[in-house]
Amino acid sequence: QLQLQESGPGLVKPSETLSLTCTVSGGSLNSNYYYWAWVRQSPQKGLEWIASISFSGTTYYAPSLNSRVTISVETSKNQFSLNLNSVAAADTAVYYCARLAPSGSGNHFDNWGQGTLVTVSS
Amino acid sequence: QLVLTQSPSASASLGASVRLTCTLNSGHSMYSTYAIAWHQQRPQKGPRYLMKVNSDGSHTKGDGIPDRFSGSSSGTERYLTISSLQSEDEADYYCQASGFFGGGTKLTVL
Repeated sequence: QLQLQESGPGLVKPSETLSLTCTVSGGSLNSNYYYWAWVRQSPQKGLEWIASISFSGTTYYAPSLNSRVTISVETSKNQFSLNLNSVAAADTAVYYCARLAPSGSGNHFDNWGQGTLVTVSS
Repeated sequence: QLVLTQSPSASASLGASVRLTCTLNSGHSMYSTYAIAWHQQRPQKGPRYLMKVNSDGSHTKGDGIPDRFSGSSSGTERYLTISSLQSEDEADYYCQASGFFGGGTKLTVL
């Protein structure tokens, strides 16, 4: 059974970089079929897609975050990572990693991590 | 861009059925072919994938999702029906397509 687990600091100072890693177990990142993604959730904005990446490194970013976000993959470790720079209080959220499956005219998330709360505060 | 609209809340009695609705872009027909996914989020938990619902009303459920959960479609509306409601079904339900999410429906089981 596929499992995704987020890890990283729970507290980040304003203007610094938020870095998270997602470890995938029970399956491989090496798939032409799936993408791997980060999604965050806050009371203010609800669920918000951040970025997606294929095992070969093709990336997609949410336009609103594009200038501050980098997603990367390390297939040898079965992990993918998120970096969000110049964080502010508005970036405080629960961050989820997820698997993204194709759906014809759209894609859907079919597996989720349990989430990790990241607070931006000095 | 894609906009997914959900009612903020719904309620139904224990053992009854309820149908939740997700409307694609306020009913504009160009979105009538889009598939969506339904996700359940119980209190203090992460989202859980329930199913994908296609424009023709067919649906594919995630692993371990009970038969009480089903999906259907009509035009630009996508539905999630939960029958024989149980207390554990009290949760937020989100629809999603590509990088877009609905605002969620909070389901209360009376």
